[in-house]
Amino acid sequence: EAGVVQSPRYKIIEKKQPVAFWCNPISGHNTLYWYLQNLGQGPELLIRYENEEAVDDSQLPKDRFSAERLKGVDSTLKIQPAELGDSAVYLCASSKTSGSFGEQYFGPGTRLTVT
Amino acid sequence: AQRVTQPEKLLSVFKGAPVELKCNYSYSGSPELFWYVQYSRQRLQLLLRHISRESIKGFTADLNKGETSFHLKKPFAQEEDSAMYYCALAGGGADGLTFGKGTHLIIQP
Repeated sequence: EAGVVQSPRYKIIEKKQPVAFWCNPISGHNTLYWYLQNLGQGPELLIRYENEEAVDDSQLPKDRFSAERLKGVDSTLKIQPAELGDSAVYLCASSKTSGSFGEQYFGPGTRLTVT
Repeated sequence: AQRVTQPEKLLSVFKGAPVELKCNYSYSGSPELFWYVQYSRQRLQLLLRHISRESIKGFTADLNKGETSFHLKKPFAQEEDSAMYYCALAGGGADGLTFGKGTHLIIQP
């Protein structure tokens, strides 16, 4: 079992450019999360999906961030345009069902550097 | 609003000494509390959760609702325990987790 897969692992872009991150959850996991982790901080939830429905996106900065999970499996998180303050690690996690109560499995993360 | 506080950014203890990583939370309902761990060059993973009431790798944590705490303890630290430890809270239902800022535990030989 590969676990949660994320790509790319590292990304360096100039400010004002767009960037996209991809996540493939563990097979059979219906719930998918995107977290943002700034240096020296714990992860912060951006958005949660139940299958293809975004059920909690209250922390997602919608002016520049967007996400989709079209077939209820893979997910993409996009930033357009990127700002210097977006430099962080973007983590994807999945859990089997909404009743798993926090037993989330995390991917390795994508480290974004905006210059 | 829910909040998790880990007051120690860094904790250094000698091998064989007891370890206690502190975690306090703020939540109006009945929370689910967790400890996640991230070893060097590995991904974040669940260590234990309070509803399981189990000991994992010698670690235990007791939920104290009166003190709103969920401290992580181990009686005898081992070098392989060196890692980042995050306390996390799920505020009911199937919410995403609210994490503390983490404590970097270093076990000295």
